[in-house]
Formats: sequence, C-alpha cells, structure tokens
Amino acid sequence: AQSVTQLGSHVSVSEGALVLLRCNYSSSVPPYLFWYVQYPNQGLQLLLKYTTGATLVKGINGFEAEFKKSETSFHLTKPSAHMSDAAEYFCAVSLLGSSASKIIFGSGTRLSIRP
Amino acid sequence: GAVVSQHPSWVICKSGTSVKIECRSLDFQATTMFWYRQFPKQSLMLMATSNEGSKATYEQGVEKDKFLINHASLTLSTLTVTSAHPEDSSFYICSARGRQGLKSSYEQYFGPGTRLTVT
Repeated sequence: AQSVTQLGSHVSVSEGALVLLRCNYSSSVPPYLFWYVQYPNQGLQLLLKYTTGATLVKGINGFEAEFKKSETSFHLTKPSAHMSDAAEYFCAVSLLGSSASKIIFGSGTRLSIRP
Repeated sequence: GAVVSQHPSWVICKSGTSVKIECRSLDFQATTMFWYRQFPKQSLMLMATSNEGSKATYEQGVEKDKFLINHASLTLSTLTVTSAHPEDSSFYICSARGRQGLKSSYEQYFGPGTRLTVT
C-alpha cells in the first residue's frame, strides 16, 4: 500500500525567501506523485505531478519538485515566496495506470508568508 | 483538462435530515468516482470509490448505510448523508476518472467541494 508523510504541519517563511515543503512516500512499486494547493474554503488545485521521465518537475506559480527514488522523497520548492503563496499544500501518491488506483493524500502543510 | 462540478457548493441542514450532494463530470465519461471528506484544518480522507453501475467500495471506518453513494451514469455520482448529525459537518470533495471519447485516462480530476453544515 502507498502512503505519504509530510514533514511539518506548518511552515513560515519571509516574502522573497526559499520555500521548501517536504514529502516522503512509501510505495511497493514506482509511484505517481502529486502536489496540490488548497486556498481557504476552496477545492484543490494541481500544482504539479510526477509520472515517469524527468525527475525534476516544474509546475504552476513557479513551484517545482524533484523525485528522488533513493530518498523516497518528492519535496516541493519555490525560489522566492510571494504573499499569494499562503495556503495549504498536500502531497499525494497514486499507482496511476492501475485500474485499482486511487490518490492518497498526506496530512498537509500550511504555508505562511511573513511580510 | 477535464472538469468536475459539484452541487451544491454549500448546504446547511438540520440534524436528523438527509442531504444529497451531486458530482458531475462535464466533458468526459467518469467510469470511476471517488468521494473524500475533509474536516477543518485536516487532510482529505478517502471515503469510498465507485465504478459506474456497481456498488461503491467503502474505506475502513466509513459507514455505508450512512453515506449512500450512487453512480448510476457515466457523468453523475451522488453522495447522500442520511440522518445527518453535527459531527458530519465537513467539506466533501468528489473526484472522477474516466475517458474522453475512445481515450482512457487514469488521472483523477477533483470537484470544487461541498461544505456541509449540520445544525
């Protein structure tokens, strides 16, 4: 079975600083990995996803994530934080490509941006 | 990309009543639909998975008699919360996976969510 662990329920950075949100996964087979963002009282928005191929994945709003199989990690980064990045971020895993697959979410990390 | 809608976006109901939430795939055929629940400041927890024309498969700990799921067509799934109680107040999000024309996709597309408040 797959699972996802997000380290740090709350991360606070200054505007303009590097954003790093950590995610580690557990899967018996090569997983598909996702990062979603959720703004208050709204649904989910897909930031980026890794399926196969290049391990560095670029997403929307300047975010990127790198799949590191040896570390079973898929950390999310952004070089320079904006106030508008304040939101809840979810890492998720799936065995996409399997008819029995479903997306399982991590516990989430709330990102706060200090002026 | 594929679009999934939910209706209503928010609903308030009295304790003991039932409420139905609809999830529709607007431009693709949803062969599989998923229902998630999100309590305030928590993550999304998968409640059940349904395939069109089949009974839903519920995750451990989810009461199937309380959360009735119907997936009668390739574009519509409904979640009915029966005899709702205040502890059922939550954000319910559906997700769908399926095909557009002859092309199948295993990607899951998420609806905007429905906020249920039981008073």
